[in-house]
Amino acid sequence: GESVGLHLPTLSVQEGDNSIINCAYSNSASDYFIWYKQESGKGPQFIIDIRSNMDKRQGQRVTVLLNKTVKHLSLQIAATQPGDSAVYFCAEKRGDKIIFGKGTRLHILP
Amino acid sequence: DTGVSQDPRHKITKRGQNVTFRCDPISEHNRLYWYRQTLGQGPEFLTYFQNEAQLEKSRLLSDRFSAERPKGSFSTLEIQRTEQGDSAMYLCASSIQTGSNEKLFFGSGTQLSVL
Repeated sequence: GESVGLHLPTLSVQEGDNSIINCAYSNSASDYFIWYKQESGKGPQFIIDIRSNMDKRQGQRVTVLLNKTVKHLSLQIAATQPGDSAVYFCAEKRGDKIIFGKGTRLHILP
Repeated sequence: DTGVSQDPRHKITKRGQNVTFRCDPISEHNRLYWYRQTLGQGPEFLTYFQNEAQLEKSRLLSDRFSAERPKGSFSTLEIQRTEQGDSAMYLCASSIQTGSNEKLFFGSGTQLSVL
């Protein structure tokens, strides 16, 4: 199926540290990007989004960075907590539909 | 609870049987999506509706799959003559589009196991 690519399948982070999850996309025409969090047994949950006319957007404990030159997207989570354990997906709006990447599992070390 | 309901949560069926899943979106949302997700993968786009109109279908969606949204509210996804390769989580999401921005609200999915 169609997908956006990711660099790492699993990321382990010490509790309290910052997490950075990376994503590469291929379609330079995409103008909208979104990060989703999926916990076990649940559907993906919206975290934060960014339009292509921006390079940074901040939310509560999360920041999304967009580098259109190298077609790279990242999600930064500050002061990672046990509740942040999940699979994180980047997604892009390609045409009129939203396409998801394969995901990165974030594992929090005590 | 996102407000999007899917039924059933789990479905076990024998190969060759037909199955139907239902999705009830958030009432004011005009868009409804169906995705399929297998273990370790991201959701794969299947199809979506704007109100009652089905606007796009993925090439993943063979002629055994059909989706409807008869009155622009709930939607059904039917799989005929199920195959073992159809085993997956089927996710429904609804949204309201604001310009290019579109926040999807997902249900908890229907887990299909084809024996």
